[in-house]
Amino acid sequence: DAKTTQPPSMDCAEGRAANLPCNHSTISGNEYVYWYRQIHSQGPQYIIHGLKNNETNEMASLIITEDRKSSTLILPHATLRDTAVYYCIVRATGNQFYFGTGTSLTVIP
Amino acid sequence: DAGVTQSPTHLIKTRGQQVTLRCSPKSGHDTVSWYQQALGQGPQFIFQYYEEEERQRGNFPDRFSGHQFPNYSSELNVNALLLGDSALYLCASSPDRGYQLSGNTIYFGEGSWLTVV
Repeated sequence: DAKTTQPPSMDCAEGRAANLPCNHSTISGNEYVYWYRQIHSQGPQYIIHGLKNNETNEMASLIITEDRKSSTLILPHATLRDTAVYYCIVRATGNQFYFGTGTSLTVIP
Repeated sequence: DAGVTQSPTHLIKTRGQQVTLRCSPKSGHDTVSWYQQALGQGPQFIFQYYEEEERQRGNFPDRFSGHQFPNYSSELNVNALLLGDSALYLCASSPDRGYQLSGNTIYFGEGSWLTVV
């Protein structure tokens, strides 16, 4: 069962930062938070993951609260190509992911 | 470096038939997982293969079976197809050294679209 809660949809203006929230209040100490996105009819694309520290890569930043019960994915300058469904996933040991229904992000021109 | 590759990309089958989907993992990855994604839903875990053995399995009937070959590639077989089996089937690969450590990255293929008519 999915261990995360995300808003079903969000809009963001092109060029602005997109901030996608995720609640994972039952997360355990050894569980990582992963973010993937899926553009229509394609396979999920890895974005970023983290355990407790904030993380940044060329695609996005991940901000995890100190109590680790929630996190935010930040796309610093959203483009039309960032329109996709974004999945926040909490992963324990093992390689099985539990996907929820994700957040459908629409970037508006 | 090729990523995860899947074949075929699209196929149509009739109810009651059998289908085989194929997956080649990313170079250096020895663990392969399969997911089913129905339209409008998130992917659901079917099973995972490591060292040619099924290591984990989700809540799917025995009609769903798999195989992993010595070169780490994998097949997903579905018997007695039902209309409800119509979905995108995704393969994901990862290195096993990540099994006990959850911080490694899992990569997905583009999927195989199965339509059952």
